[in-house]
Amino acid sequence: AQTVTQSQPEMSVQEAETVTLSCTYDTSENNYYLFWYKQPPSRQMILVIRQEAYKQQNATENRFSVNFQKAAKSFSLKISDSQLGDTAMYFCAFMRAGSGNTGKLIFGQGTTLQVKP
Amino acid sequence: DTAVSQTPKYLVTQMGNDKSIKCEQNLGHDTMYWYKQDSKKFLKIMFSYNNKELIINETVPNRFSPKSPDKAHLNLHINSLELGDSAVYFCASSHPTSGRETQYFGPGTRLLVL
Repeated sequence: AQTVTQSQPEMSVQEAETVTLSCTYDTSENNYYLFWYKQPPSRQMILVIRQEAYKQQNATENRFSVNFQKAAKSFSLKISDSQLGDTAMYFCAFMRAGSGNTGKLIFGQGTTLQVKP
Repeated sequence: DTAVSQTPKYLVTQMGNDKSIKCEQNLGHDTMYWYKQDSKKFLKIMFSYNNKELIINETVPNRFSPKSPDKAHLNLHINSLELGDSAVYFCASSHPTSGRETQYFGPGTRLLVL
């Protein structure tokens, strides 16, 4: 069974600084997807970034980038130039890919990020 | 022109009651999901339907029954509500072409059982 672990329940960062959120996962699959979702106080689930395991290049979306270490089963999210609007709970998630993909997302426990002015 | 909508957004009810949460998507997707977010914010999938066929059925009490009248709708009916059912329930959908890895979430339904 796959598991996703986020070891940082809460983090804070000053506005305009950089912060990194950690995520580790466990799987015997070779083909899968990893995600970071953002859940602001409005509780809407927003996809921040997605990584395909077969791609060695780390995904980037504007100020958001990941450090994907497949051998170490690590998938951290870096937020650069933090903004007040980044304040939210962030979830790391895993999904099998290929023919076994049912669309089942497995989430970590979440990390609450507070951006301070 | 909301993509994935849920009704109601808030639901307060007494233990033992039966309630339904409705989900509709206007994206032309063929797969829909129900997730539960508990009081500790932990998110877990409950069910998934593809073209009205059940494809994911996690370990969920029999009191929970999903119903998909058509591809655009996936409703969640809960019988004999218990205190532990209090949570936020999210509906999501995905498209066969863009893949199930791209899921669009609804705004959530906060259920409070008293």
